[in-house]
Parts: sequence; C-alpha cells; structure tokens
Amino acid sequence: GQQVMQIPQYQHVQEGEDFTTYCNSSTTLSNIQWYKQRPGGHPVFLIQLVKSGEVKKQKRLTFQFGEAKKNSSLHITATQTTDVGTYFCAGRIQGAQKLVFGQGTRLTINP
Amino acid sequence: NAGVMQNPRHLVRRRGQEARLRCSPVKGHSHVYWYRQLPEEGLKFMVYLQKENIIDESGMPKERFSAEFPKEGPSILRIQQVVRGDSAAYFCASSTFQGVYNEQFFGPGTRLTVL
Repeated sequence: GQQVMQIPQYQHVQEGEDFTTYCNSSTTLSNIQWYKQRPGGHPVFLIQLVKSGEVKKQKRLTFQFGEAKKNSSLHITATQTTDVGTYFCAGRIQGAQKLVFGQGTRLTINP
Repeated sequence: NAGVMQNPRHLVRRRGQEARLRCSPVKGHSHVYWYRQLPEEGLKFMVYLQKENIIDESGMPKERFSAEFPKEGPSILRIQQVVRGDSAAYFCASSTFQGVYNEQFFGPGTRLTVL
C-alpha cells in the first residue's frame, strides 16, 4: 500500500542544537505538508511544498522537497523549548485527495 | 472565524454501546476528513467526505463504522458496538478545494475511551 515513512521516531536534543526529521514515500507525491502537534493537542499546519526541489523557510525552520518528489525534510536550527512536539509529514498521492501521514517524529528538548 | 469544532471532546463508552462524534468544519469548507490516532502513533486516514457524499472511505473499518456529512449540520462519525480497540483520539479536518493546494484545518479531537 501507499506508505510514508518518517525517521527518526524520537529525537531528544539540548536546547540550541539543531534537529532534522526525514520523510520518504514509496510513490511520487503531488505535494507534501508538514504539521506540528503539541502534546495533548491537535495537528497544526506548518507548510506545504509542491514543486520538485522546493525549499521553504519559516524563521528557524527549513523545509525541503526532493527532486523526485518522494522525500522531504524539516530542519530546525537552534531549537527552543517551544519547538517541543511531534512533527508529521503528510503526502498527497498523485491524483488522490487524501493525505498519508508519516508516523511522526517526537521532539523533546533539554533546557 | 471559528475553526473546526468537534464534540464531545471526551467520550466514555462501555463495550457494545454506540459512539457518535460530531465535527463542524470551518465556515465555508465543504470537505471533511476523519482520522484516528492511537497513543504515540501517527494519524490514520479514515474517510473523506464532501457535502452529502462519501468520496473516499478506504480507511474505514468495514463493519461498525460509518460517516456522513449532511447538507445541513455537522459531519458525524458513528461507531456501533464499540470495543476496547476503538479507544483513540479521533480528529476531524476540513479544507476548501483548490486543486492541490489543500491545507487541512484540524479540530481539537474527540478522545474516545471504551471501558
């Protein structure tokens, strides 16, 4: 079936360190979205990438979409305690209107 | 603008009872998605509905689960004869249809506990 794999499952860093989560799909994606879910909360949309090789930045967050549109990454520079949460990628299979979510990467930070 | 509303926020049912979860999308959104999330896991797509139509229910269990999105009123996810394995957080999301630009707005979720 259509799968979106996300690694690592957990990541613990010291405040100020960088963090990266990776997302890989078994099939080509029409676009990929990233969401953040705080503990006990609901997913909140961060960004959407559509074009092959696209790179977008939001302050300390950098999002990339691979050339083949099968992988993506989220990189956070100099993490802060407010970055704590689980980051999900969600890919839209070409021609479909549903999102396939990765398992998420849970980020915890030591202040 | 109110966001996606879900109620109840917490629901406790005994095995064999029915659970009804409600979702009111963002005003003007005609597309609704339901997801299930088990503790420490990702979101599993269940069903995608437009007004009065089920578009994709490939993630719905074949039995006991049903969903609707009537012309008037909220979307309903119905689970009949609940079992302990149905305990999870159920999230609803809504969107406008703009081709591939389809950001989904999530509600706060309903946390179902089956005793």
